[in-house]
Amino acid sequence: AQRVTQPEKLLSVFKGAPVELKCNYSYSGSPELFWYVQYSRQRLQLLLRHISRESIKGFTADLNKGETSFHLKKPFAQEEDSAMYYCALSGISGNTPLVFGKGTRLSVIA
Amino acid sequence: EPEVTQTPSHQVTQMGQEVILRCVPISNHLYFYWYRQILGQKVEFLVSFYNNEISEKSEIFDDQFSVERPDGSNFTLKIRSTKLEDSAMYFCASKQGAAETQYFGPGTRLLVL
Repeated sequence: AQRVTQPEKLLSVFKGAPVELKCNYSYSGSPELFWYVQYSRQRLQLLLRHISRESIKGFTADLNKGETSFHLKKPFAQEEDSAMYYCALSGISGNTPLVFGKGTRLSVIA
Repeated sequence: EPEVTQTPSHQVTQMGQEVILRCVPISNHLYFYWYRQILGQKVEFLVSFYNNEISEKSEIFDDQFSVERPDGSNFTLKIRSTKLEDSAMYFCASKQGAAETQYFGPGTRLLVL
């Protein structure tokens, strides 16, 4: 079964502190992993996908196939990082839908 | 930058009524999706659409639901006879190619009374 687990509903950190948002998945095959972010009153937008291996807004995520994890990290949190973060997966081939986790609300405290 | 748009932003309806949620995908996109998010729960896939037909649908997408691309721009989700449990945020998404990123609309919040 395809499943994405984000164990934390809410994560509060102080500005300047490191952030790690956890994501574990189960998928039979090779999935593609994504992080989407939703800022207050805005739409879901892609933050990063594992195949592009980019760092966006200082965030990185490494796919660990052994641990089936795709944790999102940032060394120094900023207030503007406060948002809802969703981990998602899809199949690698073609037109497969996204399977989302429940999301983690990140609150960065000044 | 082009964006997916959705109308209306909010809709309140009575149980048993039909609703049509509208989406305008990004113009050169070929793959279209509907998702929904019940309050406090995860975003769930409903249906995907490509080449003028449904590619895949979830078990949520029963006979009460239908999708249409009536012209070259709109992509609609119809709920024939709404139930209380259809109350949710409905998101449309589109992407250009099979391996491309999905872009989401702002959502329509549907409340069934």
